[in-house]
Amino acid sequence: GQQLNQSPQSMFIQEGEDVSMNCTSSSIFNTWLWYKQDPGEGPVLLIALYKAGELTSNGRLTAQFGITRKDSFLNISASIPSDVGIYFCAGAFTGTASKLTFGTGTRLQVTL
Amino acid sequence: DGGITQSPKYLFRKEGQNVTLSCEQNLNHDAMYWYRQDPGQGLRLIYYSQIVNDFQKGDIAEGYSVSREKKESFPLTVTSAQKNPTAFYLCASSMGTSKTQYFGPGTRLLVL
Repeated sequence: GQQLNQSPQSMFIQEGEDVSMNCTSSSIFNTWLWYKQDPGEGPVLLIALYKAGELTSNGRLTAQFGITRKDSFLNISASIPSDVGIYFCAGAFTGTASKLTFGTGTRLQVTL
Repeated sequence: DGGITQSPKYLFRKEGQNVTLSCEQNLNHDAMYWYRQDPGQGLRLIYYSQIVNDFQKGDIAEGYSVSREKKESFPLTVTSAQKNPTAFYLCASSMGTSKTQYFGPGTRLLVL
């Protein structure tokens, strides 16, 4: 099955810094989702995007649905230690029976 | 509280043995999904069900079986035909035709 490309694969940042990551696809999606997964736990939904160009925030997190429909971006402002984890993007097409295609993940580590 | 429960948290399998992983949801969601996650990798779809008594194979269905006799429950059996069953298994659910999936806490399966 197809997987999306996420970049970067991992990042090591200092507390207080802003973080940016992105997800790209060779195909068009009409839904983009961003999840965070802590070690040994299930992914937790952070933000859902449903329209090209849409910009949505959830606290310090902001995500955008790329205008080409082939990419999405997640930004975290003023990172804190609890932001540590793996961030996954996921995309879906209309008519694919609610199936999601997942990215390979971005591992975020935050130092004090 | 509404949510998805998976049990057990850890499961051990002997060679040649079938094991069943439980997934229950009280969110009144129509669709349910099973994913496999290997270390450092994204999520791969095993099986999904959009309605009771109906299910479809995902990308890696070989060596697995499922049933959907009740809306709330979607158990996954890892059969002896699955030669590399050690992984983290995640169950998810979604409402109707929504692409937004919500995940359970996961079950880690280990082969003895």
